[in-house]
Amino acid sequence: RKEVEQDPGPFNVPEGATVAFNCTYSNSASQSFFWYRQDCRKEPKLLMSVYSSGNEDGRFTAQLNRASQYISLLIRDSKLSDSATYLCVVGDYNFNKFYFGSGTKLNVKP
Amino acid sequence: EAQVTQNPRYLITVTGKKLTVTCSQNMNHEYMSWYRQDPGLGLRQIYYSMNVEVTDKGDVPEGYKVSRKEKRNFPLILESPSPNQTSLYFCASSLFPGQGGEKLFFGSGTQLSVL
Repeated sequence: RKEVEQDPGPFNVPEGATVAFNCTYSNSASQSFFWYRQDCRKEPKLLMSVYSSGNEDGRFTAQLNRASQYISLLIRDSKLSDSATYLCVVGDYNFNKFYFGSGTKLNVKP
Repeated sequence: EAQVTQNPRYLITVTGKKLTVTCSQNMNHEYMSWYRQDPGLGLRQIYYSMNVEVTDKGDVPEGYKVSRKEKRNFPLILESPSPNQTSLYFCASSLFPGQGGEKLFFGSGTQLSVL
């Protein structure tokens, strides 16, 4: 069983749409949670950390549900520039190992 | 400019010929790690290092070696590469996971092909 699972997509949405991604993780002792963005074959870049209280950064909102062991990312008012692969990342209880989902591909179309 | 520098960007080699991929960071980060990325599998951790002379295995360490003699450098060594090590490799660093420094800074990647 994979540590972190994501729907690979692709999600094809028009500009201005709202889109949501989920990911699930298997280890209940996990301590840190993130969403990273990766453009084609380039290095991943941190989009946002995810906290139990939920957090928002502009058009992006992330939520963590520890009881159900899933993490979500909501993108409002999608832009063409949001087209990328979104990686769900979970850090273990020692904060020294990180587990990456295989990514969800988003295509925003005009 | 704060960055993680990986070299080379592309590498084609033959089975059994030892190679080293270099990784250097200029942010005085304690934590460094190596990942490989394969289609459908996401990034998988090969090795990580919490500080100088402290290294540990990730999830897929077989066939790889690392060293951390200096804080800034964390080379990945393939003593006898095989075709199943053909992959996209990323080096990453962070200030110190678990103390507000969890953000991973990635190098630009090394595409390795082993023939």
